[in-house]
Amino acid sequence: SQQGEEDPQALSIQEGENATMNCSYKTSINNLQWYRQNSGRGLVHLILIRSNEREKHSGRLRVTLDTSKKSSSLLITASRAADTASYFCATDAWNQAGTALIFGKGTTLSVSS
Amino acid sequence: ETGVTQTPRHLVMGMTNKKSLKCEQHLGHNAMYWYKQSAKKPLELMFVYSLEERVENNSVPSRFSPECPNSSHLFLHLHTLQPEDSALYLCASSQVASGGYEQYFGPGTRLTVT
Repeated sequence: SQQGEEDPQALSIQEGENATMNCSYKTSINNLQWYRQNSGRGLVHLILIRSNEREKHSGRLRVTLDTSKKSSSLLITASRAADTASYFCATDAWNQAGTALIFGKGTTLSVSS
Repeated sequence: ETGVTQTPRHLVMGMTNKKSLKCEQHLGHNAMYWYKQSAKKPLELMFVYSLEERVENNSVPSRFSPECPNSSHLFLHLHTLQPEDSALYLCASSQVASGGYEQYFGPGTRLTVT
């Protein structure tokens, strides 16, 4: 089934360093999104990149999309302790309602000060 | 997070109990979702309501029963659950539109089945 797979599963870095997370998926998409989840809480939307876009920026976030390789990356620059969270990529999947997202297992990022 | 609210935040129930989870969105969206999040597993989409019409998901056991009385409210009725149903249940909403959309999540209900 169409699904995002994040890599690595866990990442530990120091404050100020950059964090890079990757996502691979299996079938064609219309868009890919990245979400963040603090421990035991709901997900927060970070950024959406459409299939005809290659790169997108939002503050300290940079997302790339390579549809030929069916992969995306999320770069967080100058990381802070507050960036500690799990990060998920999600791809759109069309069902009867045409509205579902398929999430990967996520990358757990730990930023230490 | 206040755009989508969920109650209760924590719930402990026995296998013979009947309980309901409630979700309310204040964003004017026309689609609502229930997800299940278990440890070390991807988020599992359980149900989708788009324009108040339910999309069937045959992989969800019948002990979970959704209800969407209007575009702002979504319920998940629970009965005779199993311990493996213990998880974080997340509600989300979105405005369905062509060209992509983002989902707004509630804080979740942490369910423990004893």
